[in-house]
Amino acid sequence: DQQVKQNSPSLSVQEGRISILNCDYTNSMFDYFLWYKKYPAEGPTFLISISSIKDKNEDGRFTVFLNKSAKHLSLHIVPSQPGDSAVYFCAASESGNTPLVFGKGTRLSVIA
Amino acid sequence: DGGITQSPKYLFRKEGQNVTLSCEQNLNHDAMYWYRQDPGQGLRLIYYSQIVNDFQKGDIAEGYSVSREKKESFPLTVTSAQKNPTAFYLCASSILASGGADTQYFGPGTRLTVL
Repeated sequence: DQQVKQNSPSLSVQEGRISILNCDYTNSMFDYFLWYKKYPAEGPTFLISISSIKDKNEDGRFTVFLNKSAKHLSLHIVPSQPGDSAVYFCAASESGNTPLVFGKGTRLSVIA
Repeated sequence: DGGITQSPKYLFRKEGQNVTLSCEQNLNHDAMYWYRQDPGQGLRLIYYSQIVNDFQKGDIAEGYSVSREKKESFPLTVTSAQKNPTAFYLCASSILASGGADTQYFGPGTRLTVL
């Protein structure tokens, strides 16, 4: 049973527009959420995180929104750039140093 | 220059042979992790260790073994018992911050191909 779901395997966006990547989770004990970006044949790179005491965290072009009641988070990238084309993984964990649980990823293609 | 290193980048082995993948970190992180990535499957946890000389099974530990004799090293052995060993293997580490907000940082990965 998947605890972290990324229901869109792929997404295409025009350069300069907003990219919105979505993630749903089922475990109400999760209280820390992260987004990673991954290029082919490379390790994932940490992008941004949010704890459950917040509903928004912003870092440059990247913003993560958390809706605890809906068990949903999203990553907004604005403006999207061709270099943002990669696979994006959502991950979650419970406090107490439990391992991260990852979604299956969404492949973002930013078209020039 | 701190980071996580995995070697080699590409590894080829014959079916039935055990193979050990290296993972070293100089970040002074307490915890280390091994994941496997297959197409369409995301990242699946194989083993993790939060302290030297101790480790726990992840979701897909069968056919794998690990050791944690030193804080900076967490080698993974893919044994002949692993039915589908061909995959991209990723090592990660984290600092185990108190309160549990734990960000993992990943190495570059090793692509293992079993012929």
